[in-house]
Amino acid sequence: NAGVTQTPKFQVLKTGQSMTLQCAQDMNHNSMYWYRQDPGMGLRLIYYSASEGTTDKGEVPNGYNVSRLNKREFSLRLESAAPSQTSVYFCASSEDGRLSSYNSPLHFGNGTRLTVT
Amino acid sequence: DQQVKQNSPSLSVQEGRISILNCDYTNSMFDYFLWYKKYPAEGPTFLISISSIKDKNEDGRFTVFLNKSAKHLSLHIVPSQPGDSAVYFCAPRNYGQNFVFGPGTRLSVLP
Repeated sequence: NAGVTQTPKFQVLKTGQSMTLQCAQDMNHNSMYWYRQDPGMGLRLIYYSASEGTTDKGEVPNGYNVSRLNKREFSLRLESAAPSQTSVYFCASSEDGRLSSYNSPLHFGNGTRLTVT
Repeated sequence: DQQVKQNSPSLSVQEGRISILNCDYTNSMFDYFLWYKKYPAEGPTFLISISSIKDKNEDGRFTVFLNKSAKHLSLHIVPSQPGDSAVYFCAPRNYGQNFVFGPGTRLSVLP
């Protein structure tokens, strides 16, 4: 059981380049999320998808777009990468998201380390 | 303003002793509190949770205490083991909202 799978694991971009981070979960979860982790700042929510067909902005959405391709897959796109987007990106999923019961924590992938030069 | 603070960026503890990790929050509407553990090059993994109707939840070596009046949460690990060395995040949530993560505390358990 793979859980949440993210690709790629590492990426180096030049300023202005674009790329898409891929995420897939095999737990039949309804909700999916993209976070970024920066030193001293914990995990900050970029975008989330409460259910298939819906997406919403999180705390730090500027410079990003997302697509909930189907129930399993949720991608994050950087259209024109900037050095400020250098970070570690985590995808997560949960059974019912914001309206979940107390037994529905987030399940995370292993992250994508992105460097923008 | 940070809604969730973990004021100790790092903590070192001797193996076998107790580790206490603290978390303070400002939003009195938070009703569900989680702790996550993160090893290098891996994603965070869920460790233990507590709802606002309780003041203590225990799971093996891990106990979480909630003091709602002080808006304070703590995670106790007894006894600490070298494999507990990781970054620990507290992540509370208000029902209907997303989880808010603290900045994390790096725990080092020394053999």
